[in-house]
Amino acid sequence: ETGVTQSPTHLIKTRGQQVTLRCSSQSGHNTVSWYQQALGQGPQFIFQYYREEENGRGNFPPRFSGLQFPNYSSELNVNALELDDSALYLCASSFGGPNTEAFFGQGTRLTVV
Amino acid sequence: SQQGEEDPQALSIQEGENATMNCSYKTSINNLQWYRQNSGRGLVHLILIRSNEREKHSGRLRVTLDTSKKSSSLLITASRAADTASYFCATDEGSNYKLTFGKGTLLTVNP
Repeated sequence: ETGVTQSPTHLIKTRGQQVTLRCSSQSGHNTVSWYQQALGQGPQFIFQYYREEENGRGNFPPRFSGLQFPNYSSELNVNALELDDSALYLCASSFGGPNTEAFFGQGTRLTVV
Repeated sequence: SQQGEEDPQALSIQEGENATMNCSYKTSINNLQWYRQNSGRGLVHLILIRSNEREKHSGRLRVTLDTSKKSSSLLITASRAADTASYFCATDEGSNYKLTFGKGTLLTVNP
């Protein structure tokens, strides 16, 4: 158990819809990162939040957006869902800074039909 | 883009044998981390090795890092059926400390 919890665990959405995924970070961690993992691939970095500010973004379009709250929990929002958005979405929390471990939640499996 | 490349892509061994997985990367790094993933669920952190370290141990795990060759290896000794999983290396290379993952090695340990 890492102390990082994600909800929901599974979700089915229709193309064009919007989705919000949630993550509660491990106690004391001020940095949350989101990753997308397609089937058979390694996770791909979406973005990172540090103390409620976006602190880096991967190669994902603007319809992927996020928030971090004062308690360091976070949301990932995806608008105008596409079939290729079907993936496992992983949240990781850490203290931030170099040489700190990132601890992952169990992920949300999103299926877009 | 994926920086780390694990080798082999798949590995099948018998219980009790050792398993070695390799990872290569392309740019300079702050550290390299190894993760395990069971059945497409969450990633479990195994070990972090810093760029100024050459070897690290944790239980049955041994990780080496060669920054001159931009490569790392993960050795699991005396493997068990419960070690069956996908193993990923991830490099921390930038100022926002994002992790860049490879595609992973699927390890199957047969009882």
